[in-house]
Amino acid sequence: NAGVMQNPRHLVRRRGQEARLRCSPMKGHSHVYWYRQLPEEGLKFMVYLQKENIIDESGMPKERFSAEFPKEGPSILRIQQVVRGDSAAYFCASSPAAGGLETQYFGPGTRLLVL
Amino acid sequence: RKEVEQDPGPFNVPEGATVAFNCTYSNSASQSFFWYRQDCRKEPKLLMSVYSSGNEDGRFTAQLNRASQYISLLIRDSKLSDSATYLCVVRGYGGATNKLIFGTGTLLAVQP
Repeated sequence: NAGVMQNPRHLVRRRGQEARLRCSPMKGHSHVYWYRQLPEEGLKFMVYLQKENIIDESGMPKERFSAEFPKEGPSILRIQQVVRGDSAAYFCASSPAAGGLETQYFGPGTRLLVL
Repeated sequence: RKEVEQDPGPFNVPEGATVAFNCTYSNSASQSFFWYRQDCRKEPKLLMSVYSSGNEDGRFTAQLNRASQYISLLIRDSKLSDSATYLCVVRGYGGATNKLIFGTGTLLAVQP
């Protein structure tokens, strides 16, 4: 029973390039969450998605960041025109349902380094 | 003020020691609380939920004090494998119950 899968595990980009981070939730999970962990900081919520819908994007930076969870395929976190401050670990989590007592299971993360 | 605050440590303890971590949260409306464990350069993993009556799982005991908005984790008989960062986590409240709010973590190093 595969857990949450993320790829790539490591991503290096130069300033101004685009970064695409992918997340496949656990089997049977239809709720996906993205978190960012900056160096020496705690994880910060970015966005919550269900299939084809963004439910809560209150933690997303206003510019350059977008997320989607299409009907088929993984969830994608997209960062356009990356800057050095985007360097961080990006974790995806999934749950079978929303809120309440549902545990969020985390993937191994994508470590983005912007040169 | 941060929504969830923890002592960053590090806590350096010998094997077999008992160690306690504390955490405070700012919003009294919060309803769900957790301890996660994060190994170096790995993802957070749920260690245990924290219930009002307190709960125990083997060597680990979690306590919640709603009046003081305080959460604790006690680890007895520490093992080398307990070395990790322990994250205090509060579920969002009101219309934001789908997000987890993380503390910055407390680093534990168990020495042989």
